[in-house]
Amino acid sequence: TQLLEQSPQFLSIQEGENLTVYCNSSSVFSSLQWYRQEPGEGPVLLVTVVTGGEVKKLKRLTFQFGDARKDSSLHITAAQPGDTGLYLCAGGPNSGGYQKVTFGTGTKLQVIP
Amino acid sequence: SQTIHQWPATLVQPVGSPLSLECTVEGTSNPNLYWYRQAAGRGLQLLFYSVGIGQISSEVPQNLSASRPQDRQFILSSKKLLLSDSGFYLCAWSGVREKLFFGSGTQLSVL
Repeated sequence: TQLLEQSPQFLSIQEGENLTVYCNSSSVFSSLQWYRQEPGEGPVLLVTVVTGGEVKKLKRLTFQFGDARKDSSLHITAAQPGDTGLYLCAGGPNSGGYQKVTFGTGTKLQVIP
Repeated sequence: SQTIHQWPATLVQPVGSPLSLECTVEGTSNPNLYWYRQAAGRGLQLLFYSVGIGQISSEVPQNLSASRPQDRQFILSSKKLLLSDSGFYLCAWSGVREKLFFGSGTQLSVL
């Protein structure tokens, strides 16, 4: 069974601060996705990374896929209240059977104005 | 563009009552369809997935079942709800890649 552990589990910061969320596994993934979810809504895809060492930027968000494709990080610069939500990483399987996407344990972020 | 509809948004049901949650997708053909359950503020657990009409795979043994009577329709059911069935249920679809697109979810409370 592939497991994805996210840390921290909860994070409360002031507006303008920087933060990093980690997603770690002992398994190798063919790709890794990051989603953001707001209360009472479904998760929304932010980014997909597929190559070991890949870095993608989405405005103030920077996503990195580990060289060994076992871990990933999400860094937010100058956090804003609109960044508040539950961040989920999700790993795609090596077999290519995307029905086996594994979700991480989640990081709940609160950005205080 | 593709859209996914899931209803109802909230549901309160007594223990032992039946359940039917429906999900439909528009703007795409032959999508892969999924039902997930989410504990409060936590990750998602895959319950069922389907790669075509009438094709259902179950990930975990449970009190629930799923059906896909039409290409873009996915239904989650139970004959008798248990307290442990309470949770946030999410329907999702994916195309040729591993990107998932989720519905807005159903908050189910079994009392």
